Amino acid sequence: AQRVTQPEKLLSVFKGAPVELKCNYSYSGSPELFWYVQYSRQRLQLLLRHISRESIKGFTADLNKGETSFHLKKPFAQEEDSAMYYCALRGAGGGNKLTFGTGTQLKVEL
Amino acid sequence: DTGVSQNPRHKITKRGQNVTFRCDPISEHNRLYWYRQTLGQGPEFLTYFQNEAQLEKSRLLSDRFSAERPKGSFSTLEIQRTEQGDSAMYLCASSLTGTDSPLHFGNGTRLTVT
Repeated sequence: AQRVTQPEKLLSVFKGAPVELKCNYSYSGSPELFWYVQYSRQRLQLLLRHISRESIKGFTADLNKGETSFHLKKPFAQEEDSAMYYCALRGAGGGNKLTFGTGTQLKVEL
Repeated sequence: DTGVSQNPRHKITKRGQNVTFRCDPISEHNRLYWYRQTLGQGPEFLTYFQNEAQLEKSRLLSDRFSAERPKGSFSTLEIQRTEQGDSAMYLCASSLTGTDSPLHFGNGTRLTVT
């Protein structure tokens, strides 16, 4: 069975402060991990994926297989980062089927 | 907007009635997915199609739920004899076949069963 855990429902930070959204997963094989974001009144969209090892909008995430984690980080939060963030896992077997966590609402305060 | 389109945006129905939702994927995408999202939860996988073939169904998808994609383009999700527990946001997504292809989500259909 595969599972994604996001322990924080809400994370509130001040503008300019560092951000870390936590994600832990449970999967017996080699997973692919993703972060999806949903801004207010917009559809769910891909933010980044671990295989790309890229930085999107200043966000990065490193897959740590030892700790089974894929935390999302940004050194300096911006007001426009306020959104709902979902961590998702795709296991082996194809189909692009994703298992999502429960999401973390990030609120960046001025 | 050439993204994934879902209709209707909202549906209110009485318990026991049947409802049908429609999803129009991005035109060149051959994979189509249905997810359900309840309050405070992330999206939960229901089923997916590759072209017109329904390749996987979650055990969440009871016998009252049926999905079709007859011509490999748009898809419909029907819920028969709706129950209050069916109240949720129903999300459709599409993608290309490649494993690197991200899912593109629609805005969803919010179902309220009274």
